[in-house]
Amino acid sequence: EPEVTQTPSHQVTQMGQEVILRCVPISNHLYFYWYRQILGQKVEFLVSFYNNEISEKSEIFDDQFSVERPDGSNFTLKIRSTKLEDSAMYFCASSESGVTGELFFGEGSRLTVL
Amino acid sequence: GENVEQHPSTLSVQEGDSAVIKCTYSDSASNYFPWYKQELGKGPQLIIDIRSNVGEKKDQRIAVTLNKTAKHFSLHITETQPEDSAVYFCAAKGTGRRALTFGSGTRLQVQP
Repeated sequence: EPEVTQTPSHQVTQMGQEVILRCVPISNHLYFYWYRQILGQKVEFLVSFYNNEISEKSEIFDDQFSVERPDGSNFTLKIRSTKLEDSAMYFCASSESGVTGELFFGEGSRLTVL
Repeated sequence: GENVEQHPSTLSVQEGDSAVIKCTYSDSASNYFPWYKQELGKGPQLIIDIRSNVGEKKDQRIAVTLNKTAKHFSLHITETQPEDSAVYFCAAKGTGRRALTFGSGTRLQVQP
């Protein structure tokens, strides 16, 4: 069964450092998403991406965040200068249709900022 | 934007009993309501979903009901088993390409 894969599974970084989280969405999917989940809390929407541009973003997704699809398979989330409060599990998801489609989530990347 | 409220935050049932989790949403234009199960250390997995043109949907021991007028939807799990223990999230999606908005989650514990 096709799946969304994410790397790394866990990253520890120092405050102020740049972090890139990587995702390989399901191959025929066209819509890509990043969500985050602070420990014990709800899954929060960060950004959606379609046709090589951002479709929608939340207030969490400020200038410190960026997304990119550098090639035909990867979808990345970059945090330019990490803060302690960026510590969370980051989930990538993809969907065949942005209007009616089911979201498939990856296993997540745990980011710990020290 | 959309706001989804979920209750209860924790639910403990005996094996074989039923479990019900309820959600309300704020955006009357929302038309897609999935439920996700999240096991420890894993990503959310879709277990059932319902669209706004349907009032109820069932898949074996799992069912979801939707009341569009009241803007609430519920997950029903019958004959619960220990492997049903997990965190369950409801979500709602508005029209067009709006992203999913999640509820705060319900930690279900099924006692053997």
